[in-house]
Amino acid sequence: KQEVTQIPAALSVPEGENLVLNCSFTDSAIYNLQWFRQDPGKGLTSLLLIQSSQREQTSGRLNASLDKSSGRSTLYIAASQPGDSATYLCAPHNAGNMLTFGGGTRLMVKP
Amino acid sequence: SAVISQKPSRDICQRGTSLTIQCQVDSQVTMMFWYRQQPGQSLTLIATANQGSEATYESGFVIDKFPISRPNLTFSTLTVSNMSPEDSSIYLCSVVGATQGEQYFGPGTRLTVT
Repeated sequence: KQEVTQIPAALSVPEGENLVLNCSFTDSAIYNLQWFRQDPGKGLTSLLLIQSSQREQTSGRLNASLDKSSGRSTLYIAASQPGDSATYLCAPHNAGNMLTFGGGTRLMVKP
Repeated sequence: SAVISQKPSRDICQRGTSLTIQCQVDSQVTMMFWYRQQPGQSLTLIATANQGSEATYESGFVIDKFPISRPNLTFSTLTVSNMSPEDSSIYLCSVVGATQGEQYFGPGTRLTVT
């Protein structure tokens, strides 16, 4: 059974800092890995999808890396802004398009 | 990407009653899923909604409690039956996009059971 751990659980930083959010998973037989953002009381917004054959994916100030063999993914956020404040969720995809979610990293970026 | 809507967006219900949540997608999709997010927790998969056949439920979830319908490739419903306060959660549907297996989520239904 896939288990996902995200570190840190919470993070509070001043605006402008570069951030690193970590995700580890126990079953390396994944097809893809997806990072999501969730604002309080809202649904999930897909940020990045990394296919198992890829090592990283970039979108704007976001860069996600994947080391499938070691069961790790990292989300880098450059030049953080208050609008980045949200919970970030990592979810590897296993067979049948099944996602397993980590507990998330709750990010607060202070002006 | 896929645009997903859910109804209702929120509801407050009395224990012992049932609520049906609707999920509508703007394009035909093969795979649809229902998730639950309990307060302060991450998401847990309830079931895969299969078109033309019964839903496939994850461990800990049963059809009598969470019946699911999938009448076509753009629509699904999840019913939360005989509700108790422990069912208070956000319920989300998701779909698999046409390319690369990316999943998209609806805005969620916030359910409070009193």
